[in-house]
Amino acid sequence: EVQLVESGGGLIQPGGSLRLSCAASGFTVSSNYMTWVRQAPGKGLEWVSVIYSGGSTYYADSVKGRFTISRDNSKNTLYLQMNSLRAEDTAVYYCASGVNFQHWGQGTLVTVSS
Amino acid sequence: QLVLTQSPSASASLGASVKLTCTLSSGHSSYAIAWHQQQPEKGPRYLMKLNSDGSHSKGDGIPDRFSGSSSGAERYLTISSLQSEDEADYYCQTWGTGILWVFGGGTKLTVL
Repeated sequence: EVQLVESGGGLIQPGGSLRLSCAASGFTVSSNYMTWVRQAPGKGLEWVSVIYSGGSTYYADSVKGRFTISRDNSKNTLYLQMNSLRAEDTAVYYCASGVNFQHWGQGTLVTVSS
Repeated sequence: QLVLTQSPSASASLGASVKLTCTLSSGHSSYAIAWHQQQPEKGPRYLMKLNSDGSHSKGDGIPDRFSGSSSGAERYLTISSLQSEDEADYYCQTWGTGILWVFGGGTKLTVL
């Protein structure tokens, strides 16, 4: 059974950093498109970043230069390093697998506030 | 620019059918999309991939009550025999080289 479990969210001050993790089971992270999607309170879904099986990475303009997506193949885990956080980054962050987001995690809440 | 347009809300009665629409922006009518369901206070769930010819492939465990169809730039999600647990937000999503991933604004479905 495919499972994605996010962790690492919390309350952080503006300008701070946070690293999110997404532990995968039932499939191999390095063989799939792995994506981060976020949802601000009361808003819709927003694509954030993707890492391809070949290792290429891409980012939404809103996070480019501040966020870094990566994976640890030995731990079968996806990460999102978030730096220079802003109030508008406040959201539930989901990881998802596959080009069509066939599997989703339950999300982890990031709150950026002083 | 690739944009997906969805009506903000829809409603239908328990046991009835409802058809939700996702419209692709001009010049992108050949794109496939995916439909996702998000029940209140839950993470999204993949429903299906829907191609421009109307063929679709559903996710594991998705009931037969959920089906997809296409016409031109329109992509549809039809839910029949509506149940209370179908009350949720429904998002369409697509992708493309250089465009990466785009979501529609979502449709909030109310089951009356």
